[in-house]
Amino acid sequence: EAQVTQNPRYLITVTGKKLTVTCSQNMNHEYMSWYRQDPGLGLRQIYYSMNVEVTDKGDVPEGYKVSRKEKRNFPLILESPSPNQTSLYFCASSLSFGNTIYFGEGSWLTVV
Amino acid sequence: DQQVKQNSPSLSVQEGRISILNCDYTNSMFDYFLWYKKYPAEGPTFLISISSIKDKNEDGRFTVFLNKSAKHLSLHIVPSQPGDSAVYFCAASQGSYGQNFVFGPGTRLSVLP
Repeated sequence: EAQVTQNPRYLITVTGKKLTVTCSQNMNHEYMSWYRQDPGLGLRQIYYSMNVEVTDKGDVPEGYKVSRKEKRNFPLILESPSPNQTSLYFCASSLSFGNTIYFGEGSWLTVV
Repeated sequence: DQQVKQNSPSLSVQEGRISILNCDYTNSMFDYFLWYKKYPAEGPTFLISISSIKDKNEDGRFTVFLNKSAKHLSLHIVPSQPGDSAVYFCAASQGSYGQNFVFGPGTRLSVLP
């Protein structure tokens, strides 16, 4: 089954404690991205990757890092989380840029 | 400033009637548009798309209309069913290399039995 899998799905952490949200897709997609969803703002792109070792900033990259060492994985790293990063995060992938995007189920992150 | 707007945060429709969800965009360079549906506790799922070379695209109960001059698109669901109750996101892209999809804030549709 074609899937985008994120972990963890739910996490409560404290300010400043580094965390990583993993994302994996099994569709051999080149394009992957991370979004955060906040009330009234819809989905805003954090980072995206066109292919292995190619990453770029989206609309709201501050406070986040990503890496793309393998085609299937695209982890999101919060080096020093802050409460304003409390949000619902979605990983997504598509065959290439401009194609239909497939989303993971989302990761609820709370930073206290 | 939001480039993609969905001015109705919520919409309620009676089962069997038509649901019309609207989306406006400001960037005239956008040439590819999608609608996504999102249920609670799930990721958004692709619903239907339209490119700027068309003004209408139909898939079963779902039809998307594009009015380029007005920078407006709409999603029609006919007939509406209770299972259509979800948040609907409009998304737009320029379609050229290096550009990404911009999402609207979403409209919550409630279909009442």
